[in-house]
Amino acid sequence: ELKVEQNPLFLSMQEGKNYTIYCNYSTTSDRLYWYRQDPGKSLESLFVLLSNGAVKQEGRLMASLDTKARLSTLHITAAVHDLSATYFCAVVKETSGSRLTFGEGTQLTVNP
Amino acid sequence: GAVVSQHPSWVICKSGTSVKIECRSLDFQATTMFWYRQFPKQSLMLMATSNEGSKATYEQGVEKDKFLINHASLTLSTLTVTSAHPEDSSFYICSAPGGGGLNTEAFFGQGTRLTVV
Repeated sequence: ELKVEQNPLFLSMQEGKNYTIYCNYSTTSDRLYWYRQDPGKSLESLFVLLSNGAVKQEGRLMASLDTKARLSTLHITAAVHDLSATYFCAVVKETSGSRLTFGEGTQLTVNP
Repeated sequence: GAVVSQHPSWVICKSGTSVKIECRSLDFQATTMFWYRQFPKQSLMLMATSNEGSKATYEQGVEKDKFLINHASLTLSTLTVTSAHPEDSSFYICSAPGGGGLNTEAFFGQGTRLTVV
């Protein structure tokens, strides 16, 4: 059974600081996704990571993937209040088609 | 990017009634769609895989007779919550893969907030 674990589950940080959210998964995977969810809203796609060593950046967010370690990171640089949201990683298990298994989510609060 | 439209965005119903939620892929065809459920402060849990022209595949622990899924066309999947009870109150989200191959984005609907009173 594929398991996806995120760490930390709750993160409170000050504006301007850097931090990293970690996503570990238990079996080999075709691809890994990062999503943002605002309260009461659906998911907003941030990144799709397809191969070992993949790194993608968008604004203050950067995601990376290490398939050998089964680990992805979402790095936040110089956080701003607008980044406050819940962030999910999700993994597609090989041979499962496009079924996503989600991590528990990381609730990020950026304080002024 | 591709758009998945979900309707309604919220619904309140009385206990014992049924509620239908629609999920449409607006500018692409989706032979497969996924239905997720999210309880407050929790992650998304896959309920079932909707397959165009065939029966849905349900995850373990999901009652197929309670959560009826129909995927009658390449752009529409529906989830009907039958005989809804307060414990069915949740956020339901559908998604559809946007294309073939490994570089497949997963597109999500806006979600439906179901409240059973």
